[in-house]
Amino acid sequence: GQNIDQPTEMTATEGAIVQINCTYQTSGFNGLFWYQQHAGEAPTFLSYNVLDGLEEKGRFSSFLSRSKGYSYLLLKELQMKDSASYLCAVMDSNYQLIWGAGTKLIIKP
Amino acid sequence: NAGVTQTPKFRVLKTGQSMTLLCAQDMNHEYMYWYRQDPGMGLRLIHYSVGEGTTAKGEVPDGYNVSRLKKQNFLLGLESAAPSQTSVYFCASSPGDLGQENTGELFFGEGSRLTVL
Repeated sequence: GQNIDQPTEMTATEGAIVQINCTYQTSGFNGLFWYQQHAGEAPTFLSYNVLDGLEEKGRFSSFLSRSKGYSYLLLKELQMKDSASYLCAVMDSNYQLIWGAGTKLIIKP
Repeated sequence: NAGVTQTPKFRVLKTGQSMTLLCAQDMNHEYMYWYRQDPGMGLRLIHYSVGEGTTAKGEVPDGYNVSRLKKQNFLLGLESAAPSQTSVYFCASSPGDLGQENTGELFFGEGSRLTVL
């Protein structure tokens, strides 16, 4: 079956760096997405990786290793507004998105 | 620019009642989706559409029906609501075919919180 694994919850300190991991097993691969979802709100797009390596976008970076079925989202200079759930999703060979359950990130002052 | 709009935002139903959730997008997107989100689980696809007049089943289609009579609208119907359908429902849209300018990014509505008693 298809599976996306990510930690349920993480805690970090304001100003610090946090890495959220995502491992996947899917039927084929057409890209990996990270979305941010604040409580009670809609998911919003953060990043897309289809080739191995690191994609940097401001304070957020996303890494992909297709051979390992692994990705991480790196958040730098954490701010209180970064408290949210972070959703990992993989597009399979049928171009369907398979979603992880999300990682709830708690930022403490 | 409104993006993706869902109505209603909240609804309480009794078991056996029917209702329709409306999704409207103003981005001229080809693809539209209905997801449900439950605690501790990833987003699960209910139904989707790859263009006006087309619909297809997703991962959890039972108990739901959909229609896409106009490109900008995607309706989700519950014919006979059950407590297991208590959830937050998200509509999403995307431009369509993947390409240099389209990664498959989804644009989500704000969600509709449905409670079935």
